[in-house]
Amino acid sequence: QQKVQQSPESLSVPEGGMASLNCTSSDRNFQYFWWYRQHSGEGPKALMSIFSDGDKKEGRFTAHLNKASLHVSLHIRDSQPSDSALYFCAASDGGGSNAKLTFGKGTKLSVKS
Amino acid sequence: DPKIIQKPKYLVAVTGSEKILICEQYLGHNAMYWYRQSAKKPLEFMFSYSYQKLMDNQTASSRFQPQSSKKNHLDLQITALKPDDSATYFCASSQSGGLGAEQFFGPGTRLTVL
Repeated sequence: QQKVQQSPESLSVPEGGMASLNCTSSDRNFQYFWWYRQHSGEGPKALMSIFSDGDKKEGRFTAHLNKASLHVSLHIRDSQPSDSALYFCAASDGGGSNAKLTFGKGTKLSVKS
Repeated sequence: DPKIIQKPKYLVAVTGSEKILICEQYLGHNAMYWYRQSAKKPLEFMFSYSYQKLMDNQTASSRFQPQSSKKNHLDLQITALKPDDSATYFCASSQSGGLGAEQFFGPGTRLTVL
C-alpha cells in the first residue's frame, strides 16, 4: 500500500481560481510534510514544509496539517498558468540523518488561461 | 548558475552494460541523496549520504552502488543494466540530514535501457 496518497490525480482550474490538493499518510511515523512542485523536464522543487498542526501561509500558497488524521492539504489561490505542474506531497519521519522523503504519486495541476 | 549538476542529461544503454551517473552540488551541503522516478512508481528514495558516509540504503539490488569521492560529489554506478532500470534519476542535497532540512533536487539524468 502506498504510504503517501494524493488526490486528485489531476486537477484543472481557471486562471485566478483556487486549486486544492490533498495528501494522506497511512504511517503514523510520518510527522513532517513537504509540498514539492515539478515542472516538465525539471527536478522537483520544494514549495513549503509543514510540521505543526494548523495552517502555514507563504504568498499564494497555504498548507494545512492535521496530525491526528495525518492529512495535509495545499491550497493555491489566484492560480497562474505558471503554476501548471506536477505537485508532490512528501513525508518524513525526521529521524536524524535518515531524512529520506517518501513521495506520493502526485497531482497534475493545469491552470487554464 | 546551476547549483546541482547532473551528467549526462540523457543516457541510452544496452541491457547488461554498466553506466555511471554523475552528481555535483555547489550548495555547500553535507548530505546528498539519490532518488528514482519512473512511469510505474512515484519518486522513490534510493540512498542517503552524510559527510560522505552511507546513512540509508533502500535499494534492494547491489547493482546500484553510490560513490562519493569528494564531499560535494555523489555518483551512482549501475551495473548489469536491465530495461526496468529505465527511469529518471535525481540527485538531491540538503544542509544536514536531519529534520527540517530542505532537499534540493538536481535536473535529473534520464536513463533508457534497451
